[in-house]
Amino acid sequence: DAGVTQSPTHLIKTRGQQVTLRCSPKSGHDTVSWYQQALGQGPQFIFQYYEEEERQRGNFPDRFSGHQFPNYSSELNVNALLLGDSALYLCASSFQGASDTEAFFGQGTRLTVV
Amino acid sequence: GQNIDQPTEMTATEGAIVQINCTYQTSGFNGLFWYQQHAGEAPTFLSYNVLDGLEEKGRFSSFLSRSKGYSYLLLKELQMKDSASYLCAVTPPRGYQKVTFGTGTKLQVIP
Repeated sequence: DAGVTQSPTHLIKTRGQQVTLRCSPKSGHDTVSWYQQALGQGPQFIFQYYEEEERQRGNFPDRFSGHQFPNYSSELNVNALLLGDSALYLCASSFQGASDTEAFFGQGTRLTVV
Repeated sequence: GQNIDQPTEMTATEGAIVQINCTYQTSGFNGLFWYQQHAGEAPTFLSYNVLDGLEEKGRFSSFLSRSKGYSYLLLKELQMKDSASYLCAVTPPRGYQKVTFGTGTKLQVIP
């Protein structure tokens, strides 16, 4: 049973560029949440996707956008990259959009903006 | 809003017991997670408390007091592999999805 998979594992981008990160949820899960984790900090909620719709958003600008596909996989897009966007981006999957059930995290994508 | 406080770092000796505290002030609360995160790895689930009291799961136990906005994670018989960051996270009321994490407590287990 495959867990949550994210790609790529590492990425280096130049300031001003755009990036797309991908996530496949754990088998049987239909909900994907995205988090940004800066070094030495806890994960910060970006948004959650369920039934192909964004259900709630954290305190992130519109440069951060996402999408969920019919097979429940998801993408996180960040436009006009800033140096401060450098972080570990984590995807977590769960079932039926519940926030009070165990979320399974992927290994993350380490994004470096130079 | 949500505010979660945890100690930044702790050190404990192999075989000992350590308690990691977490206090929170939230505008809405359903329950509290504890996750373990080894350096460079994904967080992994340890516990979820909704009701007041202590829940024990092997060497790990988690306690919650809703009235005090307080939780702790208790690790017994510490092993070197327990060196990791421990994250507490608050879940919102039903119908909302934003889970709020603390900054994490980096635990170092020494021989």
